[in-house]
Amino acid sequence: EVQLVESGGGLVQPGRSLRLSCAASGFTFNDYAMHWVRQAPGKGLEWVSGLSWNSGTIGYADSVKGRFTISRDNAKHSLYLQMNSLRAEDTALYFCAKVRLVGDWIAAFDVWGQGTMVTVSS
Amino acid sequence: EFVLTQSPGTLSLSPGERATLSCRASQSVTSYNLEWYQQKPGQAPRLLIYGASSRATGIPDRFSGSGSGTDFTLTISRLEPEDFAMYYCQHYGGSPGYTFGQGTKLEIK
Repeated sequence: EVQLVESGGGLVQPGRSLRLSCAASGFTFNDYAMHWVRQAPGKGLEWVSGLSWNSGTIGYADSVKGRFTISRDNAKHSLYLQMNSLRAEDTALYFCAKVRLVGDWIAAFDVWGQGTMVTVSS
Repeated sequence: EFVLTQSPGTLSLSPGERATLSCRASQSVTSYNLEWYQQKPGQAPRLLIYGASSRATGIPDRFSGSGSGTDFTLTISRLEPEDFAMYYCQHYGGSPGYTFGQGTKLEIK
């Protein structure tokens, strides 16, 4: 079964850091670009960041650029999101997602995890 | 700034009826990168349509997508009770990356 499981969320004070993880199973992780998408409580979806299968292409939303860093460890079948200088507006459910096509950075997200909640508050 | 605008914000229909959801882009886009997702409360989004008109694996044929340029449509031919949910369109527009529409809530009338 193809599966993505996020972890690492929690309550953190403004200005602090948090690292999210996404463990992949059931598919050849090394072959696919991966992304993070977030959803603030009661709001819509917002793309946060993504990287290609070999980390050669990386992108960030303007709202997180310079504060968040995406990375992956293909040997561990894992995706990460290092979040620094957190703000209240970063409070959201963070999903990791796999793209549909092998080797393609630009593709629909066909598998999603259930998300991990990040709350930024003092 | 590239924007996807979905309409209506809320659509109230009854089971068995036909639903038509709109997604309008602020500039002409490639159909290849226009996708539709369904999200139910407490669940992750699910890919319905990719490339504007191709159904994802396991999606019933009552779901269809169409459109080109700036105007795209998701149609549900005959609503089933499980179809009442939020729907989002998405496009990859280059820098900085992906954009989602604000969503359409499909509710039971």
